Amino acid sequence: DVKVTQSSRYLVKRTGEKVFLECVQDMDHENMFWYRQDPGLGLRLIYFSYDVKMKEKGDIPEGYSVSREKKERFSLILESASTNQTSMYLCASSLLSSGSYNEQFFGPGTRLTVL
Amino acid sequence: GEDVEQSLFLSVREGDSSVINCTYTDSSSTYLYWYKQEPGAGLQLLTYIFSNMDMKQDQRLTVLLNKKDKHLSLRIADTQTGDSAIYFCAETAYYGQNFVFGPGTRLSVLP
Repeated sequence: DVKVTQSSRYLVKRTGEKVFLECVQDMDHENMFWYRQDPGLGLRLIYFSYDVKMKEKGDIPEGYSVSREKKERFSLILESASTNQTSMYLCASSLLSSGSYNEQFFGPGTRLTVL
Repeated sequence: GEDVEQSLFLSVREGDSSVINCTYTDSSSTYLYWYKQEPGAGLQLLTYIFSNMDMKQDQRLTVLLNKKDKHLSLRIADTQTGDSAIYFCAETAYYGQNFVFGPGTRLSVLP
């Protein structure tokens, strides 16, 4: 059974703080993703990674960075948190697709509030 | 770029059928997916359809695909209160490595 875990379910931080969100998957997946979820906007891709030390910008990378030092772990970093980064953050992983059927497995999410 | 659209809300009575609609833009998508998000949880894959199919049935779920109109629908028969959730339509992108998700349809099932 694939499991994607996220370090915190709820997080409260202050404006200007550096924030780390951690994600770990246990199925040896090549791809890992960070999304943010906002009402009415659905899921928007922040960054993804298809291999260790590789990263690609998604649709909304501004204000975020990522790190993938080990295959199973993908970290999202907010260098200086701002109130507009208050959101639900979802991590996902998947196998490297050959263009055929693929499935992303999601963690439970981290609800981040920036005061 | 790719775009996926859905209506945001749907309310149905328990026992009725629910139909959630989705339109997408990328005609090269090989697979189209429906994900379900229950309250306080991440997303789970509900079902998917291959682009050369018109219909797929899986127990209470029926997926219809109109490729010409780029329209996808999910029908849930005999809707139950446990079906209350947000349903996301998704198409593939980035050579099949990633998905573009719609905004999600919040389904409310009334007793």
